[in-house]
Amino acid sequence: EAQVTQNPRYLITVTGKKLTVTCSQNMNHEYMSWYRQDPGLGLRQIYYSMNVEVTDKGDVPEGYKVSRKEKRNFPLILESPSPNQTSLYFCASSFSQGGNYGYTFGSGTRLTVV
Amino acid sequence: DAKTTQPNSMESNEEEPVHLPCNHSTISGTDYIHWYRQLPSQGPEYVIHGLTSNVNNRMASLAIAEDRKSSTLILHRATLRDAAVYYCILRPPWDGGSQGNLIFGKGTKLSVKP
Repeated sequence: EAQVTQNPRYLITVTGKKLTVTCSQNMNHEYMSWYRQDPGLGLRQIYYSMNVEVTDKGDVPEGYKVSRKEKRNFPLILESPSPNQTSLYFCASSFSQGGNYGYTFGSGTRLTVV
Repeated sequence: DAKTTQPNSMESNEEEPVHLPCNHSTISGTDYIHWYRQLPSQGPEYVIHGLTSNVNNRMASLAIAEDRKSSTLILHRATLRDAAVYYCILRPPWDGGSQGNLIFGKGTKLSVKP
């Protein structure tokens, strides 16, 4: 089944403790992206990647890092999480060229930083 | 980024057709019109997309106005499982500057009554 898999689904952590949220897709998509969703603010892009070793900042990149060493994986790294990063996170992937392809989203990771 | 305007909420009866409108008066000639929906506690789900012609798939139909300044997502027979927030989004081509970013507005919250 074609899908984007995120892990973990739920995570509670303490301020300052480094964490990684994994994202993997099995559709050979070039493009991958991370979003966060907050009440009243909707979905906002954090980072995106056009292909392997090509990443760039989205609209809200502060406090996050990403890497794209393999086409299928796009982990989101929080080096020193803070409470304002408590949010619902979604990974998405798509073929790159043109607007003629839909995005596939993961099921989400609910992160709480205390 | 081109914006879209949707009603905040709509109601439908089960097994009746639903027409969800979207205005996008500033659409450019190369923007694709995408629709996604988000069920409670889930990631956004691709529904349908189109450029100029009306489109049909197993989930829905997309009717695009001749001037492309508006579109309508049609669910032919609403079910309780269709209760979700529906997002109308313009996806530009990969010509730089867009970041492949899907700009999610607030969408339309669809309620389906049994």
